[in-house]
Amino acid sequence: DVVLTQTPPTLSATIGQSVSISCRSSQSLLHSNGNTYLNWLLQRPGQPPQLLIYLVSRLESGVPNRFSGSGSGTDFTLKISGVEAEDLGVYYCVQSTHAPNTFGAGTKLELK
Amino acid sequence: EVQLVESGGGLVQPGRSLKLSCAASGFTFSNYYMAWVRQAPKKGLEWVATISTSGSRTYYPDSVKGRFTISRDNAKSSLYLQMNSLKSEDTATYYCARHPFAYWGQGTLVTVSS
Repeated sequence: DVVLTQTPPTLSATIGQSVSISCRSSQSLLHSNGNTYLNWLLQRPGQPPQLLIYLVSRLESGVPNRFSGSGSGTDFTLKISGVEAEDLGVYYCVQSTHAPNTFGAGTKLELK
Repeated sequence: EVQLVESGGGLVQPGRSLKLSCAASGFTFSNYYMAWVRQAPKKGLEWVATISTSGSRTYYPDSVKGRFTISRDNAKSSLYLQMNSLKSEDTATYYCARHPFAYWGQGTLVTVSS
């Protein structure tokens, strides 16, 4: 199975600070069809996860553009350019290139 | 607006069965792969099952293979998860999700305990 390693496990930030979360895969997530099925999700406390980024870098409709995704192959990054209070929660990367689909362990974003 | 509403969770004894349902609306259900994902208390997300648009193909991780069955009724825009031989480690909130994990329901809690 593909293992997604997220770092750091916990991130402390002040409002307005820019932060990055890394997601590294144990194997390439480039599908034979040319797409890379790597998404980023945010789970706020007491809520279900919501999609932020799909196909590595495409911003889901309604998601603020302070969120951005980048990467290729096995290394991916989610960046938040100017953290806001509503961004607090746990961030997950998830891949659906390979079966079984797998999730990263999560990165908890806290206020410093 | 896409909506996914799970139901059917509850307290069940080890070894018993439970069937979860997910009612979908706001999109053409038959056009999308669907999935179940679970989250044990204070833990991360674990993929449980995926089903193709027609229902002819299903996928499971080893942790539930042979015990859980995912199915769908496109005429009713509904997704199901039949869970048999439940174990304490199956205790979790179960989410219905539209593939590829783009939309999620609010979840339904399954507690397996004697």
